[in-house]
Amino acid sequence: AQSVTQLDSQVPVFEEAPVELRCNYSSSVSVYLFWYVQYPNQGLQLLLKYLSGSTLVKSINGFEAEFNKSQTSFHLRKPSVHISDTAEYFCAVFESGSARQLTFGSGTQLTVLP
Amino acid sequence: EAEVAQSPRYKITEKSQAVAFWCDPISGHATLYWYRQILGQGPELLVQFQDESVVDDSQLPKDRFSAERLKGVDSTLKIQPAELGDSAMYLCASSFRLAGGGNEQFFGPGTRLTVL
Repeated sequence: AQSVTQLDSQVPVFEEAPVELRCNYSSSVSVYLFWYVQYPNQGLQLLLKYLSGSTLVKSINGFEAEFNKSQTSFHLRKPSVHISDTAEYFCAVFESGSARQLTFGSGTQLTVLP
Repeated sequence: EAEVAQSPRYKITEKSQAVAFWCDPISGHATLYWYRQILGQGPELLVQFQDESVVDDSQLPKDRFSAERLKGVDSTLKIQPAELGDSAMYLCASSFRLAGGGNEQFFGPGTRLTVL
């Protein structure tokens, strides 16, 4: 069965500093990987996804994530964060097998400090 | 811009009472999902519909939870009776068709339930 581990529950970082949010997954079959962002009292919004092809995927607001199959990781990075990036970030995996459902990690609260 | 609608946004109830949540997916989306998100955790799938049919309800506590999507459009999730442990955010999502990996799920704003 698939599972997702987000190693850091909270990440505080100063504005304009780089950040990395870690995500590892376990699965015995091929997977699709996602990062969602959730602002307070709102639903989840898709940030970026890896389906196939280039292992480096990017969002329109400067985030990027790299699929590493050997390390079963999909870490999210941004070279310079803004106050508005403060939110909860969820990594999710979809297993191309019998489960056929999206499994989420427990989330990482990113807090950008002035 | 098309969005998933949910109501109410907030609900406070006493234990043993019945509660119901409503979701209207994006027009044309055949697949609808209900998730429960406990504070500090990621969403967990409760039930998944394809049109009006249940595709997966293996994680739905069927002794107290029920879900329906009678006409294959909007959906209702009910809890009866509510228990203290049901306090959570209930999220509805929809996708164009049955999740095929790359098929994006669009989430509504959620209903925050507090059981006293």
